[in-house]
Parts: sequence; C-alpha cells; structure tokens
Amino acid sequence: GAGVSQSPSNKVTEKGKDVELRCDPISGHTALYWYRQSLGQGLEFLIYFQGNSAPDKSGLPSDRFSAERTGGSVSTLTIQRTQQEDSAVYLCASSLVKVGELFFGEGSRLTVL
Amino acid sequence: GENVEQHPSTLSVQEGDSAVIKCTYSDSASNYFPWYKQELGKGPQLIIDIRSNVGEKKDQRIAVTLNKTAKHFSLHITETQPEDSAVYFCAARTGTASKLTFGTGTRLQVTL
Repeated sequence: GAGVSQSPSNKVTEKGKDVELRCDPISGHTALYWYRQSLGQGLEFLIYFQGNSAPDKSGLPSDRFSAERTGGSVSTLTIQRTQQEDSAVYLCASSLVKVGELFFGEGSRLTVL
Repeated sequence: GENVEQHPSTLSVQEGDSAVIKCTYSDSASNYFPWYKQELGKGPQLIIDIRSNVGEKKDQRIAVTLNKTAKHFSLHITETQPEDSAVYFCAARTGTASKLTFGTGTRLQVTL
C-alpha cells in the first residue's frame, strides 16, 4: 500500500561526501516533487518532474544538487560534496496530475557532520 | 516569484477552543490555496483547499476563507481536540505553475 516511499529515512554523512536519496512515488502518479524542510523553515521547492517533460529545476540551490527520474517512476536526489547547511529533511511528493493534491512521503533526514 | 507569509509561528489553545492561522500571498495570479497538516515524523497531508473562485469552504470542524482583494487566506479550526496538535502549512500556486509555495508553518498545540 502504497503511499510514497522514501529511503533512507535517516542519513548521517561527513562533510564533502556525496549522498543519494530515493523516492518511490504512488503508482500511476505522473508528477513528482522534491522539497527540503529545514528547522524552522517552510517547505522549500527543489525540483519537479511531470511525465516526459523537461523537469523544473528552478529550486535547486546549487549545482551540487541534481535529480533524476527513471522510467517515469522512481526518483533519486543526489547531493555532491555535502555541506553542513545541506542538513535538512528532504521530502518527496507525488501527484496524480500536475495541479492535484500532493501526497508526501515521510522524508529522508540528512545530517552532515 | 510567489511569497507566502504565515502567522503565528506557534499557537496554543485549550481543548474545545477555536484556532485561526493566517497567510498572505504576494502574487495576485495565484489561484489555488491548500492547507497541509504535518504530524511528528510524518510527511504533510492535505486537509482542505480552496480555489480563487470561492470565498469560503468548510469540512466539518475546519474551514478556509479567502480574501482575494487583500491577498490573504485563513484556516479556522473549531472545537479543537488534542489530535489537532501538529504543524500546519499554508501554500499557494500560481496559474498552472508546477510548484506550490509554502508558508513557514504554524505549530498548533491543543492543551487539555
């Protein structure tokens, strides 16, 4: 059953290392979003995928961040050369249609030491 | 781009009282305003939404109002219960834009 699944749920890494966060959206949902939630902050948009269209990458904070979505399903968010300010909860959401309800996963908590 | 401000950041009410959370948005072209509830350790979940052609919408104990002229919208929770304790986020979407812009959240605590 099938909600949005994210892994790992927790990741602790050292500054300068690369990390990969995975998102498995709800089956059949064409839209997929990544948001970042920092302590005391709202949800910061990172990137959006819709079907076969070019992704909206306008929220990615630097070129150390990238994401891909394979086969219109699973998505991976990659952060290269992690910095302490990258510490946050990374939330993935999927939606049946572009302007529909977002269904969020429980997030991946990233801690960069 | 769109900017959404949300107040208050924390709110404590007694069980049975009402709670009101307010948001303002900057882009007059925004036309969709959802509210999400986030419980501890969970992802946000949609609780109610309103579109720009409607001024008010109710669903049992929760209601949302929209004032397009003033560019603000509010969440009202009546007869609050302990299970209403959570972080609430407002959001806005402009036209057919891909993203929702979220407010910074309100931590609501309902005390017995």
